[in-house]
Amino acid sequence: DAGITQSPRHKVTETGTPVTLRCHQTENHRYMYWYRQDPGHGLRLIHYSYGVKDTDKGEVSDGYSVSRSKTEDFLLTLESATSSQTSVYFCAISESGRDTQYFGPGTRLTVL
Amino acid sequence: AQSVTQPDIHITVSEGASLELRCNYSYGATPYLFWYVQSPGQGLQLLLKYFSGDTLVQGIKGFEAEFKRSQSSFNLRKPSVHWSDAAEYFCAVGRGNNDMRFGAGTRLTVKP
Repeated sequence: DAGITQSPRHKVTETGTPVTLRCHQTENHRYMYWYRQDPGHGLRLIHYSYGVKDTDKGEVSDGYSVSRSKTEDFLLTLESATSSQTSVYFCAISESGRDTQYFGPGTRLTVL
Repeated sequence: AQSVTQPDIHITVSEGASLELRCNYSYGATPYLFWYVQSPGQGLQLLLKYFSGDTLVQGIKGFEAEFKRSQSSFNLRKPSVHWSDAAEYFCAVGRGNNDMRFGAGTRLTVKP
């Protein structure tokens, strides 16, 4: 299995609070991704990174920001969490933007 | 626009029976195609992928998939299902350049 960890694995927070999720990889892959998984929608891309300090928006980026200061870490921040952001969040990595993506174990976030 | 359709939300098969999970996509060019499997509470694991060449691809755990350009399909098959195959299956279509879209998933139940 690809070396990808996510923290925390579970989080419950209140509406309006900031939340940061962390993805850490040991594979030295250039590309990293954040997805959210919701019933009936499969996975939808939030943001991705193609290198240190290089990021771009995905399909559902509103309300989320990301940062990548090191190759191995990719942070997803909800500046002010809303109930609609209750979801399971997955990080993925890839050697190139045209290759297989490998997924972390996920973070279950509940916003009350 | 690029979309991925998995017409079956839930499929139940008996152990030992054959399985086919359907995936259709809408995209103007030949995409990269993937099947992933997700067990409860886990991340996504790659079963197989198609980039080019032979349209029948073999994957892990005895799965195979066939790319049919004329039907814009990439159906997943297994000749004899095992109880451990019970999971959710996702078809994904990539155009490269970080544009990966997932189907909504098909949940497989295996009857003893």
